[in-house]
Amino acid sequence: QSVLTQPPSVSGAPGQKVTISCTGSSSNLGTGYGVQWYQQLPGTAPKLLIYANSYRSSGVPDRFSGSKSGTSASLAITGLQAEDEADYYCQSYDTGRIVFGGGTKLTVL
Amino acid sequence: QVQLQQWGAGLVKPSETLSLTCAVYGGSFSGNNWSWIRQPPGKGLEWIGEVNHFGSTNYNPSLKSRLTISMDTSKNQFSLNLSSVTAADTAVYYCAREDSKEESYFYLYWGQGILVTVSS
Repeated sequence: QSVLTQPPSVSGAPGQKVTISCTGSSSNLGTGYGVQWYQQLPGTAPKLLIYANSYRSSGVPDRFSGSKSGTSASLAITGLQAEDEADYYCQSYDTGRIVFGGGTKLTVL
Repeated sequence: QVQLQQWGAGLVKPSETLSLTCAVYGGSFSGNNWSWIRQPPGKGLEWIGEVNHFGSTNYNPSLKSRLTISMDTSKNQFSLNLSSVTAADTAVYYCAREDSKEESYFYLYWGQGILVTVSS
């Protein structure tokens, strides 16, 4: 059971907007630690999309955006494209250790 | 450009020790923290632990009793040893560089990943 909770799956049609949630607690997101988001394509290492809640990593399209409020965070993807179909993970820090969400599979319909 | 290249045995027998090494090319080795992360087949990411530029370590409590992470600054390498492995330790193991900004800790640079299978 992951410290950060994500929905197992989300889906959307090309061109639409999808949002992936990440719920934490008072010992991680609630203490002010930032949240990061990664995209993982099959057979590859995770790719950093968003760090420190809302900063886009170099080269990441502005279709991807992140936000955080209290003990929750979200990743929004607008103008959905077929290439966005992947697994997405949130990540933060909790009582001295790095923690990940369980991952969300994004399906582009 | 920072690159991480990892190697080690892809098949380990139960009760034996899993050993992996990660070499860092480019960037500052001594000025960063270095982590190991794993992913069981079909499952999510799990942070294993890290070593900092002073050689101090920080481990996932669930693995701490079996885990040793060390670094060799003369070779720009860091290593993972996980003892008494079981089938539950079967996973793709990644090495990664930890970066930070404000109160955020994140991984921009990753190794290619190695699938380690625990089986007799």
